[in-house]
Amino acid sequence: EAGVAQSPRYKIIEKRQSVAFWCNPISGHATLYWYQQILGQGPKLLIQFQNNGVVDDSQLPKDRFSAERLKGVDSTLKIQPAKLEDSAVYLCASSDDVKNIQYFGAGTRLSVL
Amino acid sequence: QKEVEQNSGPLSVPEGAIASLNCTYSDRGSQSFFWYRQYSGKSPELIMFIYSNGDKEDGRFTAQLNKASQYVSLLIRDSQPSDSATYLCAALTNAGKSTFGDGTTLTVKP
Repeated sequence: EAGVAQSPRYKIIEKRQSVAFWCNPISGHATLYWYQQILGQGPKLLIQFQNNGVVDDSQLPKDRFSAERLKGVDSTLKIQPAKLEDSAVYLCASSDDVKNIQYFGAGTRLSVL
Repeated sequence: QKEVEQNSGPLSVPEGAIASLNCTYSDRGSQSFFWYRQYSGKSPELIMFIYSNGDKEDGRFTAQLNKASQYVSLLIRDSQPSDSATYLCAALTNAGKSTFGDGTTLTVKP
């Protein structure tokens, strides 16, 4: 069974530029999560989708971050414009609705210069 | 106050010893609890999950849950150097909200 796919693995941009991350969850998983993990901290939930609906986006900085999951499968997370403090690893995870175990992708390491 | 709190460590134990990792949570609506292991530069991977009060054992790992005290723990018996990692505690509410702690860094010394 294929795992959660994320791309790109690494991205370096300058502040005020825009960037987009892509995630393809495990087949059949209805719930998809985007997390931001800053070095030395735990993953911070940015947005959670159930199919293509938003369950929780309370910690998403909506003035610069946006996310979509149009067909209830893959998802994109966008930052526009990026700030220095956005430098982090962005993790995508998916889970089924039975055990709710989250499976993580490899993550995208973003550096904002 | 963070919703899920863990001692940041670092926790250092000798090889073969028992490592004890603790986690407290503030949302009484939390129903499911997960322990993930994260190696440096890697993504979190599930170690154990627990839903009911009491103990749950899986090989060298035992998870303990006390909902009255809002406390979750993970015991690692016969600790190995390969267990050296950051251990993340996560809570899931009935509404499906997921919250992670900041993790405890464990070092197992040969």
